[in-house]
Amino acid sequence: KNQVEQSPQSLIILEGKNCTLQCNYTVSPFSNLRWYKQDTGRGPVSLTIMTFSENTKSNGRYTATLDADTKQSSLHITASQLSDSASYICVVSERTTDSWGKLQFGAGTQVVVTP
Amino acid sequence: DGGITQSPKYLFRKEGQNVTLSCEQNLNHDAMYWYRQDPGQGLRLIYYSQIVNDFQKGDIAEGYSVSREKKESFPLTVTSAQKNPTAFYLCASTATGANYNEQFFGPGTRLTVL
Repeated sequence: KNQVEQSPQSLIILEGKNCTLQCNYTVSPFSNLRWYKQDTGRGPVSLTIMTFSENTKSNGRYTATLDADTKQSSLHITASQLSDSASYICVVSERTTDSWGKLQFGAGTQVVVTP
Repeated sequence: DGGITQSPKYLFRKEGQNVTLSCEQNLNHDAMYWYRQDPGQGLRLIYYSQIVNDFQKGDIAEGYSVSREKKESFPLTVTSAQKNPTAFYLCASTATGANYNEQFFGPGTRLTVL
């Protein structure tokens, strides 16, 4: 069973509107949670990284939240633009004794912004 | 211009052939990784290497092989033993010991078996 579940699987929003993506995880012990943006046919690009002690982090119009108690995270996109059309991937890192920190990837939420 | 490069961008293979995907980085990162991405699934780890001349199997290593002769290079060979190789392949790297072990990804190679 995937340890990182994302919802919705896909969504369509009008340009200028806001949207929120969800990520629930069961990864333990927890080290950090990342959100990546992946344009079609390209590699993922990091948006935010949060540790256990951080509950919100922003990167421009992207704001991520983390509730480590309930093991939930969200990514909020404000005033969406056509360039926001992409897959958004939630990635959770396990805390390990070495520097490896194995990553668990969600399947992603496909966002389509329409004019 | 620092970063990770992968080549080719598109690759077509006939059944029974081995193919090698290239991954090069000039970020001076110690660790490198290969992932496979299929529609509707999260990235799955194939192999990773934390230092030169050493590499470890990931979750789906069967049918794949790697080498790490140079710090900058981590090529992936998809062998004929891989029964369903059509996928998008992503290479990544990270500086071990860096904050959060942030991984930087290459642009990917799309492999199609004809």
